[in-house]
Amino acid sequence: DAGVTQSPTHLIKTRGQQVTLRCSPISGHKSVSWYQQVLGQGPQFIFQYYEKEERGRGNFPDRFSARQFPNYSSELNVNALLLGDSALYLCASSLVASSYNSPLHFGNGTRLTVT
Amino acid sequence: AQSVAQPEDQVNVAEGNPLTVKCTYSVSGNPYLFWYVQYPNRGLQFLLKYITGDNLVKGSYGFEAEFNKSQTSFHLKKPSALVSDSALYFCAVRDMGTGANNLFFGTGTRLTVIP
Repeated sequence: DAGVTQSPTHLIKTRGQQVTLRCSPISGHKSVSWYQQVLGQGPQFIFQYYEKEERGRGNFPDRFSARQFPNYSSELNVNALLLGDSALYLCASSLVASSYNSPLHFGNGTRLTVT
Repeated sequence: AQSVAQPEDQVNVAEGNPLTVKCTYSVSGNPYLFWYVQYPNRGLQFLLKYITGDNLVKGSYGFEAEFNKSQTSFHLKKPSALVSDSALYFCAVRDMGTGANNLFFGTGTRLTVIP
């Protein structure tokens, strides 16, 4: 089975632009979470979606939004890009909503550079 | 609020020697603790978790972790290090406030195994 797939792998945008990142979870996984990893830091939680509903939101501005589709794939949108949004954006899927007994499986990420 | 601390940015160990990567945590309530590993240009891979039960948790690739409630620590260990273990290691704790899959990650420890 394929793992979590993310596209694109790399992206360069200019300040003020908008970006959409895509994620396909492992087959059968219904939960998708998004994380931002700034260079030299640990990943920081942005959103979780389960069965197309938002289940959690981290401390990120409203410029960040996401959605989950009927096939459980997900998109992360960031508007009005800032230089500080440059990071590796990680998508993680899990079988169920809670990671107690279903660990997160991460994709390889999308490297976003804002110039 | 939940948090984890990884006091060492870098750990060097000779191949074949035992390794320890340190993690301390701060939680309100029962801790749910995780270790993940990140190889260059890749996403995070799950190693092991502590939810409840035995204080010694065994995980993937020969890694184990020791939960110590009195010292609020969850150190990652391996009896004999391999060069291929060289990677970035993250300790994480479940953040109960903002979503079931919200893991709060430490800043990471870079492990280098010297041949």
